Amino acid sequence: AQKITQTQPGMFVQEKEAVTLDCTYDTSDQSYGLFWYKQPSSGEMIFLIYQGSYDEQNATEGRYSLNFQKARKSANLVISASQLGDSAMYFCAMREADSGGYQKVTFGTGTKLQVIP
Amino acid sequence: KAGVTQTPRYLIKTRGQQVTLSCSPISGHRSVSWYQQTPGQGLQFLFEYFSETQRNKGNFPGRFSGRQFSNSRSEMNVSTLELGDSALYLCASSSNGGYATQETQYFGPGTRLLVL
Repeated sequence: AQKITQTQPGMFVQEKEAVTLDCTYDTSDQSYGLFWYKQPSSGEMIFLIYQGSYDEQNATEGRYSLNFQKARKSANLVISASQLGDSAMYFCAMREADSGGYQKVTFGTGTKLQVIP
Repeated sequence: KAGVTQTPRYLIKTRGQQVTLSCSPISGHRSVSWYQQTPGQGLQFLFEYFSETQRNKGNFPGRFSGRQFSNSRSEMNVSTLELGDSALYLCASSSNGGYATQETQYFGPGTRLLVL
């Protein structure tokens, strides 16, 4: 089973509009971390936002917020007021402990977001 | 602070050759992880080094190896290159690596390897 599922291979959004990128995860751990990264065409993965499994408030970082629904195991990224520079691949990732107690990171397949002027 | 740096940024090799990629983590970070990214397989974890020791390893053949130096800089080596090794190789650093769920990995710009 996929640990991280991103069901939207590609999305379009109008400039200045908000957009939600979906991410669901699968874990039996109580303690885990969820991350979103942005990857422009240049290739570098840019950290956007983090949500811990015990955090009761949704994480926010500027125009980025994470809609965390623990019972549904979803961690959707919301980008408000989209800008042309937001056009990129977006990856959801989860850090959880493996059987040896070591925290491993798993990435989803990504969503390609294109912002239309 | 300077970010994660990777050299070289681009590399063209032929089958059968070997290649060494370098990664310098953020100052003070002791953990370096390597990932391979391809269109077909996505992001796949190669291995992680912490304090000069390989702490975890992904499911890659022994042709892929790495090491970490005392200054936390890391190198990754691929021997006997195959066409399928063409990929973007990303390095990520974090403070302590694998024992805290909130630990954030910061990535370098990657090395694009093309095997002909």
